[in-house]
Amino acid sequence: AQKITQTQPGMFVQEKEAVTLDCTYDTSDPSYGLFWYKQPSSGEMIFLIYQGSYDQQNATEGRYSLNFQKARKSANLVISASQLGDSAMYFCAMREGIGGDMRFGAGTRLTVKP
Amino acid sequence: NAGVTQTPKFQVLKTGQSMTLQCAQDMNHEYMSWYRQDPGMGLRLIHYSVGAGITDQGEVPNGYNVSRSTTEDFPLRLLSAAPSQTSVYFCASSYSYSLDTQYFGPGTRLTVL
Repeated sequence: AQKITQTQPGMFVQEKEAVTLDCTYDTSDPSYGLFWYKQPSSGEMIFLIYQGSYDQQNATEGRYSLNFQKARKSANLVISASQLGDSAMYFCAMREGIGGDMRFGAGTRLTVKP
Repeated sequence: NAGVTQTPKFQVLKTGQSMTLQCAQDMNHEYMSWYRQDPGMGLRLIHYSVGAGITDQGEVPNGYNVSRSTTEDFPLRLLSAAPSQTSVYFCASSYSYSLDTQYFGPGTRLTVL
C-alpha cells in the first residue's frame, strides 16, 4: 500500500528566505504522481505543484519547486523567497498510476516570521 | 466555472441523526471522492467514484454511504451520526482515475453532539 510521510510537524522560516518541506513516499508502482497542496487558515485545499514519476526534470511553479529524488523516494517542496501569506499547512500526496486513489501525508505547518 | 462546490459549510447534528453532504462539480470530471480531515491525520479517503453509477470504498468507509447518479453530483450520506464523525469533510474531483490533479471543494465542518 502506498504511504506518504511528512516528518516535520512544524517549520519556521524568516520572511524572504527559502524553506524546504520534506516528503518521502513508498510505492511499488513504477507509475505515480506526487502532489503538494497548501491549506491556509481559511481551510481550503489549494493545489501547488505536480511531479510525475517519469518526469526527467524537477517541477517548478513560480516560487514553488519540487526536489524529486526518485532513488531516495523523496519529493521535497522548496518555497523560495517566503512571504507572510505562505504561512499555512502543507500536504504532500501521491497517486499511483493503476488504482489512482490520492493518499496524503499528515502535513507540515509552516510559519513565516516577519 | 464554479469548480467543486459543497453544501452546507457548517452543520451540527445530534447523535443518531442522518444527513447528506452535497457535492457538485462542473468540470466534467469522471473521478470524484470524499475525504475527512482530522487534526494530525491529514486527509483520509472515505469513498470514491470513477464514473456515474460506480462507487467504491476508501480507507474509512464505515458509517457513510455514497451514490453517483450523474457525472456532476456525488452526495455523502451519514446514516446515523456519531461523535467520532465530527470532522471536516472535503469533496474532490479529477479528470480521471489516474495521475490527474484533484481539485477540492471548500469543505464542510460537521459537529456531532
